Amino acid sequence: NAGVTQTPKFRILKIGQSMTLQCTQDMNHNYMYWYRQDPGMGLKLIYYSVGAGITDKGEVPNGYNVSRSTTEDFPLRLELAAPSQTSVYFCASSPGRGMNTYEQYFGPGTRLTVT
Amino acid sequence: EDKVVQSPLSLVVHEGDTVTLNCSYEVTNFRSLLWYKQEKKAPTFLFMLTSSGIEKKSGRLSSILDKKELFSILNITATQTGDSAVYLCAVPNFGNEKLTFGTGTRLTIIP
Repeated sequence: NAGVTQTPKFRILKIGQSMTLQCTQDMNHNYMYWYRQDPGMGLKLIYYSVGAGITDKGEVPNGYNVSRSTTEDFPLRLELAAPSQTSVYFCASSPGRGMNTYEQYFGPGTRLTVT
Repeated sequence: EDKVVQSPLSLVVHEGDTVTLNCSYEVTNFRSLLWYKQEKKAPTFLFMLTSSGIEKKSGRLSSILDKKELFSILNITATQTGDSAVYLCAVPNFGNEKLTFGTGTRLTIIP
């Protein structure tokens, strides 16, 4: 049981390039989330999903896109990278049902630098 | 809009001291409050509190919720250098799909 896995761990992008951050969970969780965390700052929600085929915007969705074609996978796409997107990106999942509905499990993060 | 405020923003203590971290919240339709510990990597779950006045305990860490005064505290006794981390507090939003996080308390333990 690997929990939440993210790839890559590190990436450097040039301005205007595109990339996809991968996130997979093997806990059969309904809910999945993408956060960004800038240095010394809190977690900001980018997008979230309550199930396959359903996604919704969080606080800071501009410049990002997501899809959720399966329960396990929730990739985050950056289309035209900008320096303001330099951050650490965390994927998380939660059961979305039962007593532990809100307990989110986090992946190890992807450190992205845009220059 | 739901709000979570943590204090202090940072705290530096010596190993063996006891610390108390605070989290106050304003949220529509309160369900629960969660505490996370974030070292250099991803946040890890510590506690979830749903009922007022009932202490949750795990080793040297304990937490309690006051639903009347809308706050929670996280206590750490006999602190160790491994307790150095950012401690995050979060509450589920009204729709319950999302968590609103506080900005965290950065705790540093000096040997």
